[in-house]
Amino acid sequence: RKEVEQDPGPFNVPEGATVAFNCTYSNSASQSFFWYRQDCRKEPKLLMSVYSSGNEDGRFTAQLNRASQYISLLIRDSKLSDSATYLCVVNRDNFNKFYFGSGTKLNVKP
Amino acid sequence: GAGVSQSPSNKVTEKGKDVELRCDPISGHTALYWYRQSLGQGLEFLIYFQGNSAPDKSGLPSDRFSAERTGGSVSTLTIQRTQQEDSAVYLCASRLDRAAGNTIYFGEGSWLTVV
Repeated sequence: RKEVEQDPGPFNVPEGATVAFNCTYSNSASQSFFWYRQDCRKEPKLLMSVYSSGNEDGRFTAQLNRASQYISLLIRDSKLSDSATYLCVVNRDNFNKFYFGSGTKLNVKP
Repeated sequence: GAGVSQSPSNKVTEKGKDVELRCDPISGHTALYWYRQSLGQGLEFLIYFQGNSAPDKSGLPSDRFSAERTGGSVSTLTIQRTQQEDSAVYLCASRLDRAAGNTIYFGEGSWLTVV
């Protein structure tokens, strides 16, 4: 079983839509959680950390459910520039190892 | 430097040749990671360095792959006798330290094509 699983998509949404991605992780010992964004043929870049209490950064909201071992990302008022692949990342093993999901592709259309 | 720096940006090599990829992490970062990503695929962990500790080599796919980190800073990933399946982008990342919540920052990658 993969450490981190994501729906590959693609999610095709119109501008202004709200879209949500989920991610599940297999190891309950996972310690820190993040969402990264990766544009085509570019390196992954940190979008936001995910905290137990949930956190928001502008149009982006991240939630963590430790009991069910899943993480979510909500994007409100989608922009064309949000089109990218979103990677779910978990960190464990004394914070040494980072495990990446395969990513969920988002296409925001005019 | 301001970010993780990798070289070369692109490398085309003939099957069977050796290649070296270089990574210069963010100044002051103690941890360094190598990942690889084949086209359309997820990130595959290769190796991890933390300070002066022995590296975690658990992700290296074969003994043709090796990496070193000299002086706790610059790292070199070496692929010997390259094969076509080695074609991928090799991403280096660094991290300040092991504290909770500290995450990793990637360089732009070295795109390797084996022909």
